[in-house]
Amino acid sequence: EVQLVESGGDLIQPGGSLRLSCALSGVTVSGVHMTWVRQAPGKGLECVATLQTFSKTLYTDSVRGRFTISRDTSKNTLYLQMNSLRVEDTAVYYCMSSGGYWGRGTPVTVSS
Amino acid sequence: QVVVTQEPSLTVSPGETVTLTCDSSAGDVTSDQYPYWFQQRPGQAPRTLIYDTTIRHSWTPARFSGSLLGGKAALTLSGAQPEDEADYYCFLVYSDAPWVFGGGTSLTVL
Repeated sequence: EVQLVESGGDLIQPGGSLRLSCALSGVTVSGVHMTWVRQAPGKGLECVATLQTFSKTLYTDSVRGRFTISRDTSKNTLYLQMNSLRVEDTAVYYCMSSGGYWGRGTPVTVSS
Repeated sequence: QVVVTQEPSLTVSPGETVTLTCDSSAGDVTSDQYPYWFQQRPGQAPRTLIYDTTIRHSWTPARFSGSLLGGKAALTLSGAQPEDEADYYCFLVYSDAPWVFGGGTSLTVL
């Protein structure tokens, strides 16, 4: 059974940094395309960053240069390093694998 | 960036059929975009109903089906049930552009 579990969400001040983790089981992190998705309060889903199996990365315009997606195959874990956080980054962050497996999400609140 | 458009809201009567569509500003949606369809109920994480245009997950009720229709991706619900009332999102994959969700369709079963 494929399971994804996010962690690392927190309340953080604008300009701060945070690293989210997504631990995978039942599938290898390097064997699937992985995506971080966020949902701001009352809003729709937004694809933030994608890491393809062959290590190509894609970012939405609003986070490019601030966020970095990566993976650790020894830990079978996906990461999202978020720097220079803004109030508008406040959202629940989900990881999703190709084939459509989702975690339950981790909340990030950026506020002073 | 590519913009993906869905009907903002639809209403269907119990037992009836409804089709949700997913249009792309980048041109016709094809199987190369591996269309996904997700269902999200209030307060819950999204769950995948359809991926790679037509493939259901083990948990996807058979009344949901995916297809390509007139240059768009489509999700057809045949025989709507009250529990199908939810938000539905499509998702498209591009080789050299950020992957993108549609704005979502709020489906009412009434």
